[in-house]
Amino acid sequence: SAVISQKPSRDICQRGTSLTIQCQVDSQVTMMFWYRQQPGQSLTLIATANQGSEATYESGFVIDKFPISRPNLTFSTLTVSNMSPEDSSIYLCSVPGGSYGYTFGSGTRLTVV
Amino acid sequence: QKEVEQDPGPLSVPEGAIVSLNCTYSNSAFQYFMWYRQYSRKGPELLMYTYSSGNKEDGRFTAQVDKSSKYISLFIRDSQPSDSATYLCAMSGLYNQGGKLIFGQGTELSVKP
Repeated sequence: SAVISQKPSRDICQRGTSLTIQCQVDSQVTMMFWYRQQPGQSLTLIATANQGSEATYESGFVIDKFPISRPNLTFSTLTVSNMSPEDSSIYLCSVPGGSYGYTFGSGTRLTVV
Repeated sequence: QKEVEQDPGPLSVPEGAIVSLNCTYSNSAFQYFMWYRQYSRKGPELLMYTYSSGNKEDGRFTAQVDKSSKYISLFIRDSQPSDSATYLCAMSGLYNQGGKLIFGQGTELSVKP
């Protein structure tokens, strides 16, 4: 299965600022997914990032708040914009893992103060 | 009502016990069922994957799917302290074709030596 490198692993940010999270995959993949895991909650899909097209956002998530880039088949970024304490979460990228499920990055633990 | 319901626990068992983790779901379109294990400060890793109804065994782990009851289970035999983690069930209607994973809330398991 693919190996994902996600950066940064953690950050503490001031409210009103933005943070860009990077996800690098060691193989080419058509689709990459961005999830949010709020404290004590399940993983929720934010958006699906396809190379060469606009990302597809799930209900409750908008491009202005979570802009996504997908410049090639091995890389994607998620930006959390104009942050508030409610954005404090773990953010994870994921890719299809061949025949056996999905592979996840180790996550970015974001704290907004 | 959430699409996927999972008892959040926490669940604490002695070493060697049999552990039963369960999820119920409401969407009859789900065809692919997965169990992920998430250690603290790590991303989820795929543990078991099952298509449609039936059982699947892998070492000390057994996954069961009962589509008629919309109920899935993960059994861990001879549990070990290294099994202490959060276990998440996940489901999808389409696999590797842009299928969105719907996760349960996760069950935190602690296996005491």
